[in-house]
Amino acid sequence: GQNIDQPTEMTATEGAIVQINCTYQTSGFNGLFWYQQHAGEAPTFLSYNVLDGLEEKGRFSSFLSRSKGYSYLLLKELQMKDSASYLCAVRVNTGFQKLVFGTGTRLLVSP
Amino acid sequence: ETGVTQSPTHLIKTRGQQVTLRCSSQSGHNTVSWYQQALGQGPQFIFQYYREEENGRGNFPPRFSGLQFPNYSSELNVNALELDDSALYLCASSPDRAQPQHFGDGTRLSIL
Repeated sequence: GQNIDQPTEMTATEGAIVQINCTYQTSGFNGLFWYQQHAGEAPTFLSYNVLDGLEEKGRFSSFLSRSKGYSYLLLKELQMKDSASYLCAVRVNTGFQKLVFGTGTRLLVSP
Repeated sequence: ETGVTQSPTHLIKTRGQQVTLRCSSQSGHNTVSWYQQALGQGPQFIFQYYREEENGRGNFPPRFSGLQFPNYSSELNVNALELDDSALYLCASSPDRAQPQHFGDGTRLSIL
């Protein structure tokens, strides 16, 4: 089966740094994605890792360790608008490619 | 702006009815996937179309069906609607199967 785990909820303060972890057990791994989803809206693409290491994109960075089945999303200089759900998704190839999502981590940024 | 548009935005149906949801992707986006997202959950893969043919399906019953057209639009059809079908339905497309998928704004379907 395909299983993805991430914390349900996290809180942080404006200006701080937060790390959202994701662990996965999947077959046919072909990349890991992070999406941001504000309440009532569609997910928006944040980052993509297919090889081990860190990918940096402005205030957001994502890390992948395939041997450990582990990824994290790092958000720096938190802003109030970063309050959202963050979805970890693994692309699996089982004859075709699809995204398998975790249930999402709801991040609340307070002043 | 993802270049993926869905219609309608919201829809209310009753049990047993049928519904068609629509998605329009950017030109050249040959791959389109549909997902169902229940409240508080991550999106669940329904099926995927590539060049107008279904090439993968998740754990959804046959009453969920789809079509993809040459103009990069697609449809999700659901027959015999059930209360549990209430969810946000998302369409995602990409130029090819290796590229990240980008989501449309979704259709929120409510079943009464």
